[in-house]
Amino acid sequence: GQQLNQSPQSMFIQEGEDVSMNCTSSSIFNTWLWYKQEPGEGPVLLIALYKAGELTSNGRLTAQFGITRKDSFLNISASIPSDVGIYFCAGFNSGNTPLVFGKGTRLSVIA
Amino acid sequence: GAVVSQHPSWVICKSGTSVKIECRSLDFQATTMFWYRQFPKQSLMLMATSNEGSKATYEQGVEKDKFLINHASLTLSTLTVTSAHPEDSSFYICSARGLRAAYNEQFFGPGTRLTVL
Repeated sequence: GQQLNQSPQSMFIQEGEDVSMNCTSSSIFNTWLWYKQEPGEGPVLLIALYKAGELTSNGRLTAQFGITRKDSFLNISASIPSDVGIYFCAGFNSGNTPLVFGKGTRLSVIA
Repeated sequence: GAVVSQHPSWVICKSGTSVKIECRSLDFQATTMFWYRQFPKQSLMLMATSNEGSKATYEQGVEKDKFLINHASLTLSTLTVTSAHPEDSSFYICSARGLRAAYNEQFFGPGTRLTVL
């Protein structure tokens, strides 16, 4: 099925560094969501974006909904060890249409 | 954020038996629930979409007679794996979508680890 292009696939960073990851799509989405998943657990919603151009923060996380509605990025500032996990972007349009996921970005933080 | 619970969190069963997994949205009404399975180091794979009171819509390649989905209320959906076999061993995750503050949001349960011996 359709899948978002998410990059990078993996990142190894030093504690304290900033992180940036992004997703692109060939089609438009009305809603972009960013999730974090840790081993053996379900994804946890981090940020939801509903309007093109919207910039939303959640603590050290900031995400933007691209103006074309075909892309989004997630930034994590001043990374800490507990940021380790897999980050997924997801998009959907309306009603009961399923989420379209990116393949995920695996983040490792070196203390 | 909203809470979605799943029960059980893990289950081990013998080949040929059936297993039921419950998914509940605890603090909001879920207009739509989704069931996923996930293999190690892979993204989530959608199995089916269900709306309360309607038959589930299954993704291509997912056997509806094997993976029975019931969405009896706006807060409860169940997935029953019938006549489970070792190849059904996987991490099953439900997800609930509903309106909060006029916007659709989607939350995931903590997952159920199924091991079929």
